[in-house]
Amino acid sequence: NAGVTQTPKFRILKIGQSMTLQCTQDMNHNYMYWYRQDPGMGLKLIYYSVGAGITDKGEVPNGYNVSRSTTEDFPLRLELAAPSQTSVYFCASISRTSGRREQFFGPGTRLTVL
Amino acid sequence: RKEVEQDPGPFNVPEGATVAFNCTYSNSASQSFFWYRQDCRKEPKLLMSVYSSGNEDGRFTAQLNRASQYISLLIRDSKLSDSATYLCVVNIVDSSYKLIFGSGTRLLVRP
Repeated sequence: NAGVTQTPKFRILKIGQSMTLQCTQDMNHNYMYWYRQDPGMGLKLIYYSVGAGITDKGEVPNGYNVSRSTTEDFPLRLELAAPSQTSVYFCASISRTSGRREQFFGPGTRLTVL
Repeated sequence: RKEVEQDPGPFNVPEGATVAFNCTYSNSASQSFFWYRQDCRKEPKLLMSVYSSGNEDGRFTAQLNRASQYISLLIRDSKLSDSATYLCVVNIVDSSYKLIFGSGTRLLVRP
């Protein structure tokens, strides 16, 4: 299994541009999450999904949108990028039947908005 | 008040030292507790879950005090490879499995 994969690894955006961060998992996990991590800080939850067709806001959803049309994919959309969205973005997933409740993370996307 | 608070460090210790990290959480409904390890510019990875009775995994020991809402991680015989940021994480059991992360404690192990 590839686990959780994210693309792109790095991206520089200009203010006002839009982009989609891709996240795919091949573990048939029900739950998927998007976090952002600012320098020296912990991870903050942006959006999450408990299954295909179901999404919900996390702690910091403003400026982002998500969709979950399949179990495998959970893309994060940034509309009208702002410098405050400069961060590292991590996608994670977990199985509903996981006894350990370990979330598996992708390698991250480093986004800079100038 | 942050939901999960940690001393940011850095803790700078020699190889072979014993080092302890502390964490407090504010929500008494928190049900599951974890320590994640994050290497520089990498994704977090689960180090160990924390159980009420305390648990050990090799050189690592985790303790939980629900009354004080306090979690600890003890690392014995520190190795250079232990240098990383250690994230205290809690989960409020509901249907979403959401995790709440502390800001992390940075550990530097020197030769």
